[in-house]
Amino acid sequence: GAVVSQHPSRVICKSGTSVKIECRSLDFQATTMFWYRQFPKQSLMLMATSNEGSKATYEQGVEKDKFLINHASLTLSTLTVTSAHPEDSSFYICSASGTDEKLFFGSGTQLSVL
Amino acid sequence: GDSVTQMEGPVTLSEEAFLTINCTYTATGYPSLFWYVQYPGEGLQLLLKATKADDKGSNKGFEATYRKETTSFHLEKGSVQVSDSAVYFCALKLTDSWGKLQFGAGTQVVVTP
Repeated sequence: GAVVSQHPSRVICKSGTSVKIECRSLDFQATTMFWYRQFPKQSLMLMATSNEGSKATYEQGVEKDKFLINHASLTLSTLTVTSAHPEDSSFYICSASGTDEKLFFGSGTQLSVL
Repeated sequence: GDSVTQMEGPVTLSEEAFLTINCTYTATGYPSLFWYVQYPGEGLQLLLKATKADDKGSNKGFEATYRKETTSFHLEKGSVQVSDSAVYFCALKLTDSWGKLQFGAGTQVVVTP
């Protein structure tokens, strides 16, 4: 089946630094990618939807200047958490969809901000 | 707003036991309902789905029936194996929100030999 690779799987950073998370579709072209976030014991929450070559659409309450999303190619989307703070510590997961609307998920990134 | 509520884990079972994970939803429209499974170190995978009321989704011995009257989509398996140990997510998707899923918090299932 289709594979989505997400990297890194775990990252620890200092407060104030920026962290980039990559999401790659390995064997299909992902016209749309989704970024989710999950705080402990809470639901996976959609943060934003990105379409290749256009600006991402952010969900209500998600700061677009803090969570920069770039979907520059049909196989790669990146999420950059800028000036990360401890409250940004969370589990981030991407999903990718091709033209048939099937969704494939990455394995997630656990971000810990000290 | 739309939401999904599923039972908290972890759920610990012995091999061959019966598994039920409760899932209820609230939605303004007529959602499709899904169960996803995440095995350790892997991405979420679609386990089964149902797109309208009374539909039953099934896969790998798991079943779930879309119950509109109780707004539920409980996941069941009659005899679990150690390899079923994973985190299970219930989710919904509205018909006009292609690709955008509303997830529950996930339920960890641990099956012991």
